[in-house]
Amino acid sequence: DAKTTQPPSMDCAEGRAANLPCNHSTISGNEYVYWYRQIHSQGPQYIIHGLKNNETNEMASLIITEDRKSSTLILPHATLRDTAVYYCIVRVATGGTSYGKLTFGQGTILTVHP
Amino acid sequence: KAGVTQTPRYLIKTRGQQVTLSCSPISGHRSVSWYQQTPGQGLQFLFEYFSETQRNKGNFPGRFSGRQFSNSRSEMNVSTLELGDSALYLCASYSGTSGVYEQYFGPGTRLTVT
Repeated sequence: DAKTTQPPSMDCAEGRAANLPCNHSTISGNEYVYWYRQIHSQGPQYIIHGLKNNETNEMASLIITEDRKSSTLILPHATLRDTAVYYCIVRVATGGTSYGKLTFGQGTILTVHP
Repeated sequence: KAGVTQTPRYLIKTRGQQVTLSCSPISGHRSVSWYQQTPGQGLQFLFEYFSETQRNKGNFPGRFSGRQFSNSRSEMNVSTLELGDSALYLCASYSGTSGVYEQYFGPGTRLTVT
């Protein structure tokens, strides 16, 4: 699985968009970008995933650069409840030799303030 | 539908004892993975079970073991507890088949070893 690099921490004002970057310069053609977040002392929560097209769901948008070496998770209107650690994970579709294993880095601590 | 449940939520044990943690996946999910989370090492993959068989294993000593039952419920066991085993233990489930899937995490079991 490709290695990812994320800033250790970011701040965002409530109501503003939070843009969380992730670098994955060694990503392979069959690897997806997944985002999970972990609110303090809870289990991680899936947010979104993508291969090469931009994706949007009810929680967030995922923008992947054309060369796929980096991506940005966008929370369009951050709330205090979005304060969490955000993890960017790059891996192939579940299956293969790694099956469902997720490799978590240190993630980005996002703090949303009033 | 009900989420992933873990029992107990909190546990205090003494060095040298053993402990068993339980995880009930989402109905219909056949894969259960276990993770250990500590402040120093972050989230680390322990092992994954599918249809009662361990199909992937992380880099943990043999004191950490697990099993899965025919109803997909899973248990993990840590024998001869050490202070360093104090951690949040998380389990995650998904269907278990190949593809691109989100994984669902439980709330975790907080283990304190004294």
